[in-house]
Amino acid sequence: GAGVSQSPSNKVTEKGKDVELRCDPISGHTALYWYRQRLGQGLEFLIYFQGNSAPDKSGLPSDRFSAERTGESVSTLTIQRTQQEDSAVYLCASSLDGWYEQYFGPGTRLTVT
Amino acid sequence: KNQVEQSPQSLIILEGKNCTLQCNYTVSPFSNLRWYKQDTGRGPVSLTIMTFSENTKSNGRYTATLDADTKQSSLHITASQLSDSASYICVVSALWNDYKLSFGAGTTVTVRA
Repeated sequence: GAGVSQSPSNKVTEKGKDVELRCDPISGHTALYWYRQRLGQGLEFLIYFQGNSAPDKSGLPSDRFSAERTGESVSTLTIQRTQQEDSAVYLCASSLDGWYEQYFGPGTRLTVT
Repeated sequence: KNQVEQSPQSLIILEGKNCTLQCNYTVSPFSNLRWYKQDTGRGPVSLTIMTFSENTKSNGRYTATLDADTKQSSLHITASQLSDSASYICVVSALWNDYKLSFGAGTTVTVRA
């Protein structure tokens, strides 16, 4: 079946612009996660959605970052007023539930110039 | 300080040879430990997952070990193939927060013919 998909695969933006990254999870997966992967570093947890529960936003690095999820489907991660330090690969993952195996998308490579 | 440390940072091996990657963690209380393989430009893919009571698990030519007392894990790759060239990431989760994974920075393995 289809895996987790993300779009765009690459995004180059100018400092100060807003960007929106999209994630389509595996159908039927109630849990969805966003991570940031900076060059040479481990993945950093950003946010977790589980069904209709309030999301765990504890990993968002600043109030410029926000994310939404429509029911148990698509999620968007928005970064406002982008800074150069936001340059990274943003990965999305989904799972059947919070404990189950997480399946990752290919990521969106964001470059802020 | 990162709660999951991996070594070496990178290594190069000849096709057909074996190698062992190390992972030390401080995550507590421990729930489970996973090893992921991440090909360049792709999302991580799960290789093994081990809970507290398991001390070894195999997936084809990949064998993971876990010593929960010393908080150490290893991933052994047997008879390496060119397709094993990738980053191998150790990931640990804590009890009561299984969804919130702590990622190591990864070991980059390059297999040469």
